[in-house]
Amino acid sequence: EVVLTQSPGTLSLSPGESATLSCRASQSIISNYLAWYQQKPGQPPRLLIYGASSRATGIPDRFSGSGSARDFSLTISRLEPEDFAVYSCQQYGYTPHTFGQGTKLEIK
Amino acid sequence: QVQLRESGPGLVKPSETLSLTCIVSGDSISSYYWSWIRQPAGKGLEWIGRLYPSGNTNYNPSLESRVTMSLDTANNQFSLRLRSVTAADTALYYCARYYYDSRGYPDFYFDLWGRGTLVTVSS
Repeated sequence: EVVLTQSPGTLSLSPGESATLSCRASQSIISNYLAWYQQKPGQPPRLLIYGASSRATGIPDRFSGSGSARDFSLTISRLEPEDFAVYSCQQYGYTPHTFGQGTKLEIK
Repeated sequence: QVQLRESGPGLVKPSETLSLTCIVSGDSISSYYWSWIRQPAGKGLEWIGRLYPSGNTNYNPSLESRVTMSLDTANNQFSLRLRSVTAADTALYYCARYYYDSRGYPDFYFDLWGRGTLVTVSS
């Protein structure tokens, strides 16, 4: 199965700053079939990005995804208080679909 | 507005079978692909399997010998059964819908999730 490794495990930043989260795959992901989710305590994941770089409906443009093959990134510019959460990547190019272990974005 | 709601026992004894149902409201389950995903406390998400509109399935090989997923079109719901559970199966279990594009083709990321249901395996 494709293993997704996210880094860092925890990222401490202040509102207004920018965040870059990484997701590295154990093998190249076909057609950049990679998604990003945001998860807040007590809530299910929320789709942010699909196809590595396409924003889901209703997602602000301060969220952007990039990357290809094995290396992908999620960038959040101008952090808002509501952006502090756990972010997970998911590959859907192969079954079993797999998720990264998550990056916690916390307020510094 | 389509909504998903997981239902089932919150406590299951070791070696017994975990049974959950995802009740879908607002649209027909026959139109989409569906999935079960779980999340142990403090850990990442784990894909359990996928249900096709036809009722066909794909399972995670790590669970395949113990899992069954099925559609119940009459009641617009789908289910998960996980046999011979252990403490390692304790997790928050989510049902989720795969995305469909405007042409009616599925793409295998999740655009809709239930709120999740906590299942604890303990005697």
